[in-house]
Amino acid sequence: DVKVTQSSRYLVKRTGEKVFLECVQDMDHENMFWYRQDPGLGLRLIYFSYDVKMKEKGDIPEGYSVSREKKERFSLILESASTNQTSMYLCASSFTSGGSTDTQYFGPGTRLTVL
Amino acid sequence: AQSVTQLGSHVSVSEGALVLLRCNYSSSVPPYLFWYVQYPNQGLQLLLKYTSAATLVKGINGFEAEFKKSETSFHLTKPSAHMSDAAEYFCAVKRAYQKVTFGTGTKLQVIP
Repeated sequence: DVKVTQSSRYLVKRTGEKVFLECVQDMDHENMFWYRQDPGLGLRLIYFSYDVKMKEKGDIPEGYSVSREKKERFSLILESASTNQTSMYLCASSFTSGGSTDTQYFGPGTRLTVL
Repeated sequence: AQSVTQLGSHVSVSEGALVLLRCNYSSSVPPYLFWYVQYPNQGLQLLLKYTSAATLVKGINGFEAEFKKSETSFHLTKPSAHMSDAAEYFCAVKRAYQKVTFGTGTKLQVIP
């Protein structure tokens, strides 16, 4: 089974802190994604990566950056956390099968609270 | 451009009753369509996906969905709800070589 793990299930940080969220997948997937999930808004894509050291902005990249130094690991960075970044963060990965179906496999999520 | 609309942010059904969760999509070309389920405090898990092989798609846990091009719909159904079906369900659309777009989700409550 595909396994996507996230470094923390719950995280509490203070405004202005630098925050790192880590995601690791064990299926040699090329693609990795970071989403945030908010009530009534569904999942919104922050950033994604289709290869090591490659990254693309999603729909809401402002206030976030990412890093992918190894194929299995994709990090989301909040340079200076703000209260409006309090949310559930979901990591996902997928295999590129010629661009057809690309089922995404999700981690359990990190619930981040910024005080 | 592609988008997906889920009608009803909350749906309640009685245990044993039919489950119907609605999803309409917008896409300029034939899309790939997905239903994901999220149980409390967990990530999303794939229920089923449409890839143009068959219009009626069967998924896990007794769920199925029918692709109707004329109605641009991909509604999720299950004949008989079980308490364990209580979760949030997300419809998603994708075109080849494009990113996935998720709907805003429907929370299913099952009443004993």
